[in-house]
Amino acid sequence: DIVMTQSPDSLAVSLGERATINCKSSHSVLFSSNNKNYLTWYQQKPGQPPKLLIYWASTRESGVPDRFSGSGSGTDFTLTISSLQAEDVAVYYCQQYYSTPYAFGQGTKLEIK
Amino acid sequence: QVQLQESGPGLVQPSQTLSLTCTVSGASISSGGYHWSWIRQHPGKGLEWIGYIDYSGATNYNPSFKSRISISGDTSKNRFSLRLNSLTAADTAVYYCAGDPDTSGIGTFDYWGQGILVTVSS
Repeated sequence: DIVMTQSPDSLAVSLGERATINCKSSHSVLFSSNNKNYLTWYQQKPGQPPKLLIYWASTRESGVPDRFSGSGSGTDFTLTISSLQAEDVAVYYCQQYYSTPYAFGQGTKLEIK
Repeated sequence: QVQLQESGPGLVQPSQTLSLTCTVSGASISSGGYHWSWIRQHPGKGLEWIGYIDYSGATNYNPSFKSRISISGDTSKNRFSLRLNSLTAADTAVYYCAGDPDTSGIGTFDYWGQGILVTVSS
């Protein structure tokens, strides 16, 4: 099974500053046949289900603000929020869908400094 | 707009069987490409994929649940269900149903229900 590990576990960033969350998989999630990384990012606010932000490691879901961006390939990935807004306070999860069982990282709690 | 709604008991006794249902609107569970999953979240913890049923009725389960689970679909009522047996306190969690239209690879969870808290306790 693929294990996903995020860092840090929590992060405090000032409004307007950049936030960076890292995700590492125990196995490459890059499919050589289509050169796509099977890695998603979700945002979960208190009392709500997760919301899909990014798929294929770097493609934003429709309606997601462009301050959110994903990068990386193979086993190392990053979610970047370029200018933190108050509404971005949440827990963020990465998830691999390269193979079942699908697996999530443990989550990164993002707060305002 | 695809919407999902979980239903079922909020409290189940240890060793009993949990049955949850997810009613889908805005899409047919038998629509080509769709995969319908159950995912759970222990209180204050991360997310765990339980398994899915796809548009054809095929299933795929997380081996960590071994033989304790089954997922089935009811196309006449456009819903799918989870059965989890031999419950213990460790199964206390919020259970989500989620939909994947397979537009960005199988395994992304584009649509989510609001979740249902299930407590296992006597």
